[in-house]
Amino acid sequence: SQQGEEDPQALSIQEGENATMNCSYKTSINNLQWYRQNSGRGLVHLILIRSNEREKHSGRLRVTLDTSKKSSSLLITASRAADTASYFCATDARGGYQKVTFGIGTKLQVIP
Amino acid sequence: DTAVSQTPKYLVTQMGNDKSIKCEQNLGHDTMYWYKQDSKKFLKIMFSYNNKELIINETVPNRFSPKSPDKAHLNLHINSLELGDSAVYFCASSQSGHAFFGQGTRLTVV
Repeated sequence: SQQGEEDPQALSIQEGENATMNCSYKTSINNLQWYRQNSGRGLVHLILIRSNEREKHSGRLRVTLDTSKKSSSLLITASRAADTASYFCATDARGGYQKVTFGIGTKLQVIP
Repeated sequence: DTAVSQTPKYLVTQMGNDKSIKCEQNLGHDTMYWYKQDSKKFLKIMFSYNNKELIINETVPNRFSPKSPDKAHLNLHINSLELGDSAVYFCASSQSGHAFFGQGTRLTVV
């Protein structure tokens, strides 16, 4: 089973709307990150939230973390067509050496 | 300067061949990874190295052999390539859990 599981797996919205993606994980973590992957490209780091943080903002991105529920959400406000991509959450599990584990991703389509 | 670079970007080869993918990072990170992304876009960790030492081997067939000559390099050698090895392979490095990725190598086995 996967450490990070995003939902929905696919999301289609109109430009200007907000997009919310969720991620659940199973083990205790040091931090959780969100990445974006444009089609045929590598992953780009968006934001990292530490286990002792509850909310973090970066531009139009807002990430929340609920360690009691082992879940996180990524909100993209005022979406643009250029936001069309797959979004992955990744966790850095607590204990031992670093192991950044990814979920299966949410494919976001923003329709102009 | 590119933080994590991997070569080649595309690799098409026949079944049974042996091939290598190279990865270099100039970030001074201690930890490097290889991930495989299949056709369904699922990213699966294959190996993790910390300061040239193998830390994680996620039940990858032993046809895959990573080699880390130094902290900045983690190469992936694949023997006896099979059709199912076709995927995009990503190298990454990390410090404090924040991973930086290469652009990927699209491997096609025919």
